[in-house]
Amino acid sequence: NAGVTQTPKFQVLKTGQSMTLQCAQDMNHEYMSWYRQDPGMGLRLIHYSVGAGITDQGEVPNGYNVSRSTTEDFPLRLLSAAPSQTSVYFCASSYADRRYEQYFGPGTRLTVT
Amino acid sequence: AQRVTQPEKLLSVFKGAPVELKCNYSYSGSPELFWYVQYSRQRLQLLLRHISRESIKGFTADLNKGETSFHLKKPFAQEEDSAMYYCALSSNLFFGTGTRLTVIP
Repeated sequence: NAGVTQTPKFQVLKTGQSMTLQCAQDMNHEYMSWYRQDPGMGLRLIHYSVGAGITDQGEVPNGYNVSRSTTEDFPLRLLSAAPSQTSVYFCASSYADRRYEQYFGPGTRLTVT
Repeated sequence: AQRVTQPEKLLSVFKGAPVELKCNYSYSGSPELFWYVQYSRQRLQLLLRHISRESIKGFTADLNKGETSFHLKKPFAQEEDSAMYYCALSSNLFFGTGTRLTVIP
């Protein structure tokens, strides 16, 4: 099992550009989530999904869109990147009844200039 | 509102010394609390949860509802314990800001 995979590992964007961070898991987990990690702020939940076709907002959803068309994939879209979105982004997944035990991906380091 | 406070950004202890990483929370309701750890060049992973009351890698954490705390403790620190530790609240994992533990040989 590859577990949770994220692409790309690193990305530099200019302000206003759009892009999609990819996340996939092969553990048949129902629950998937996106976090951003900033110095001194810890990890903050952006969006999450409890199953295909169902998504919901977390603590810091503004500027990000998600969709969940399959169990395996949970892409995160930045429609118009801003410097405030410079961060490390983590995707995670878990079984629905064990949401506390999330498996994290390796992270994507995004810089917006 | 839910809040997790980890007051120490950095904590250094000598090998063999006791270590305590502090976590305080604010939550209206019955809290679920967890500790996650990220070792160097590894992914963030669950270390332990309060409900299991188990010891993982020598670490324990007791939920104190009166003091709204969930401090992580280990009686004798090892070099391999050096890592970033996050306290997290509820099944949606509301994380604290983390404490970087360094164990000095």
